[in-house]
Amino acid sequence: GEDVEQSLFLSVREGDSSVINCTYTDSSSTYLYWYKQEPGAGLQLLTYIFSNMDMKQDQRLTVLLNKKDKHLSLRIADTQTGDSAIYFCAERGSGGYNKLIFGAGTRLAVHP
Amino acid sequence: DSGVTQTPKHLITATGQRVTLRCSPRSGDLSVYWYQQSLDQGLQFLIQYYNGEERAKGNILERFSAQQFPDLHSELNLSSLELGDSALYFCASSVASANTEAFFGQGTRLTVV
Repeated sequence: GEDVEQSLFLSVREGDSSVINCTYTDSSSTYLYWYKQEPGAGLQLLTYIFSNMDMKQDQRLTVLLNKKDKHLSLRIADTQTGDSAIYFCAERGSGGYNKLIFGAGTRLAVHP
Repeated sequence: DSGVTQTPKHLITATGQRVTLRCSPRSGDLSVYWYQQSLDQGLQFLIQYYNGEERAKGNILERFSAQQFPDLHSELNLSSLELGDSALYFCASSVASANTEAFFGQGTRLTVV
């Protein structure tokens, strides 16, 4: 079946790195995504990674994929207060069509 | 701004009523997806349309229906509304049916009282 799990809450100090973890169950997933949702806003696509990659870096964001363990992580370097939001991990479900299966979201709180 | 426009932003209606949510995809995108975000169910895929045709169906109730018009905008119709239908409804669009990137609108917050 298709299921995505994330821890619900993460608190970090401003300037530190944040690591948000996610596990998924569908081994046929081809793409995995990270979306950001700020209060009252829609979902903003942050980054995605193809399943044959181990890592993808984009400025302050680093995505690590362990396909064997079906584990995905998002590292945010030099976390700022503006990074406070809910972060959703999503897998592209089997069968294509870009149907996304989302985790419950991790609320990141950044404090001074 | 993702380029996906949803109207209205907020909607308050009574149980038993029917509402229509509207979505205009990004310019050039042929595929539209609808998602429901609620506190107890999280983000759930409802349905996908590509160039006017239904392509994939998720956890969409029979009381809900959707369509995509020739100009590619889409509407999600929710009828016989119940309190539990209160949620944030997102529309997303992508260029193709199985594209890597889907861009989300700001959502329509539906409150059923």
